[in-house]
Amino acid sequence: SQQGEEDPQALSIQEGENATMNCSYKTSINNLQWYRQNSGRGLVHLILIRSNEREKHSGRLRVTLDTSKKSSSLLITASRAADTASYFCATNDYKLSFGAGTTVTVRA
Amino acid sequence: EPEVTQTPSHQVTQMGQEVILRCVPISNHLYFYWYRQILGQKVEFLVSFYNNEISEKSEIFDDQFSVERPDGSNFTLKIRSTKLEDSAMYFCASSTQGVSYNEQFFGPGTRLTVL
Repeated sequence: SQQGEEDPQALSIQEGENATMNCSYKTSINNLQWYRQNSGRGLVHLILIRSNEREKHSGRLRVTLDTSKKSSSLLITASRAADTASYFCATNDYKLSFGAGTTVTVRA
Repeated sequence: EPEVTQTPSHQVTQMGQEVILRCVPISNHLYFYWYRQILGQKVEFLVSFYNNEISEKSEIFDDQFSVERPDGSNFTLKIRSTKLEDSAMYFCASSTQGVSYNEQFFGPGTRLTVL
């Protein structure tokens, strides 16, 4: 399985701090995607990084990919209360395989 | 901005009943998917659909499940005889290309409760 696994399982930070979470996967990928899920809601696509890319930015998000270590990280800078959510990495073969996610709580 | 919509938002049914969950994918998308998330667990792939046929399905997607694109806009998931363990959030997703190439756009989900 190419399933991504996130680490840590949970993260609690103060508003304004940065949040970093990691993802590890098992086999080769075409791309790796990060999604956000607010409690009880649908998944929102955040960013896609292709296997030939090492780093990608989108607003306050920064994603890195190290294919040699089969790992990726998501950094949220200057966090806000609205960033409170679960964050998932997803790897692909013919489908997206999600990990259990990192639950991020941003305290005001 | 175009989005995937799903109806109903919440469906309550008795065990053994049939349910149909409906999705309207983004209009120019060609690939359609169903996922489910049992409370507190991971999002799990059920099935992908392209060119009016199932392209891939998981072991969860047994004979009780079926998908259909009855017209040019709707994409449905039918569960023929619901079980208690079918209680979950069901997410529809769509994409312009296969998952190897770009992101999927998810709907808000239908919460299915089987009593």
